[in-house]
Amino acid sequence: GESVGLHLPTLSVQEGDNSIINCAYSNSASDYFIWYKQESGKGPQFIIDIRSNMDKRQGQRVTVLLNKTVKHLSLQIAATQPGDSAVYFCAENIPDDKIIFGKGTRLHILP
Amino acid sequence: ETGVTQSPTHLIKTRGQQVTLRCSSQSGHNTVSWYQQALGQGPQFIFQYYREEENGRGNFPPRFSGLQFPNYSSELNVNALELDDSALYLCASSRLESNEKLFFGSGTQLSVL
Repeated sequence: GESVGLHLPTLSVQEGDNSIINCAYSNSASDYFIWYKQESGKGPQFIIDIRSNMDKRQGQRVTVLLNKTVKHLSLQIAATQPGDSAVYFCAENIPDDKIIFGKGTRLHILP
Repeated sequence: ETGVTQSPTHLIKTRGQQVTLRCSSQSGHNTVSWYQQALGQGPQFIFQYYREEENGRGNFPPRFSGLQFPNYSSELNVNALELDDSALYLCASSRLESNEKLFFGSGTQLSVL
């Protein structure tokens, strides 16, 4: 079965506010984690990744936090914009080097 | 755009039929992975191909099979289609040396009636 999941299926955020999307994983041997964004009618698009020897990584307007103690991953999006509306998936690289996805969180931007 | 193209974009089949889905990898990529994404779910790993051989498989029955060609393009074949096979089928290419960075196509939406 899946070892990656999400706490909330839908998240509504006011435009301009920060968004935080959470993810729990269960495979303690996973060494690499990725966040993907999927817009309607498109395939998943890579956003940011983090290796298990790190606890934080920043990109442009996005930050990923990894807490290995509680097997928790989060994606923070600063100053959320209408173009951020999408489904966000966390994924993990399990020990045989296959990428396994969680169920996803839909991010809805309120005007 | 990722450079990964899939065809067709949409397909309707009836139960029991067979289907072939196609994928062209991004230039420079030597590995292709196929995923099945049911409505409202995350992509489920079907299998991966490297150097024209299967390099890992998820929890899918043998009626799901694939091919990778010398030019790194790929096919996904599904025999004896079932209603539950209705889903978006995603192809992702990568380089084995950096296997984690998957580049996805837009998928083929398969409907089985």
